Amino acid sequence: DTAVSQTPKYLVTQMGNDKSIKCEQNLGHDTMYWYKQDSKKFLKIMFSYNNKELIINETVPNRFSPKSPDKAHLNLHINSLELGDSAVYFCASSQGGRREYNSPLHFGNGTRLTVT
Amino acid sequence: GEDVEQSLFLSVREGDSSVINCTYTDSSSTYLYWYKQEPGAGLQLLTYIFSNMDMKQDQRLTVLLNKKDKHLSLRIADTQTGDSAIYFCAEIRDTNAGKSTFGDGTTLTVKP
Repeated sequence: DTAVSQTPKYLVTQMGNDKSIKCEQNLGHDTMYWYKQDSKKFLKIMFSYNNKELIINETVPNRFSPKSPDKAHLNLHINSLELGDSAVYFCASSQGGRREYNSPLHFGNGTRLTVT
Repeated sequence: GEDVEQSLFLSVREGDSSVINCTYTDSSSTYLYWYKQEPGAGLQLLTYIFSNMDMKQDQRLTVLLNKKDKHLSLRIADTQTGDSAIYFCAEIRDTNAGKSTFGDGTTLTVKP
């Protein structure tokens, strides 16, 4: 199936640990994103990459580092996890590159991160 | 959400129409989207409207855009229990490198 897939679906870890979330899309899209959804369901963009190049970097602690080995993958690595990092993290992709940012987002099913 | 506002909750009876409202502040927004999020899932595109349109109809869904008031609405006719979900409006501002700004989401509850 064509989709945006992210792993793992659930991640439970202790404070201070380092963890990664992986994302892959086989839609042939040029742009990929990470969004964070908090407990109130508010959705905020964290990063976006266009063809492996970082184009949006919101005010996110530098403990969060995205990595895009190719345009079909965008992974999120988080160092020194804190309680406040608990949330659902969504990967998304969209078609088109620079000057063509009018395409809707295709979302993965989310990774629920719980930091204890 | 930043500059995009929605009421948080809406409850309707099955078979009634639902109207979900959204206001935005950036008049340069050219693309406006509605997404649906079911429990435990990601957001799915429901419908969209371009800023040069006033209305768009797609089966049970009707989107109305009032550019003067910067107001967007989503009407769901004959609402079903399967329509229960969170609905997000989102805008893309061309000058913002493709950043979609989402409203805070409206939780729609459909009662039988």
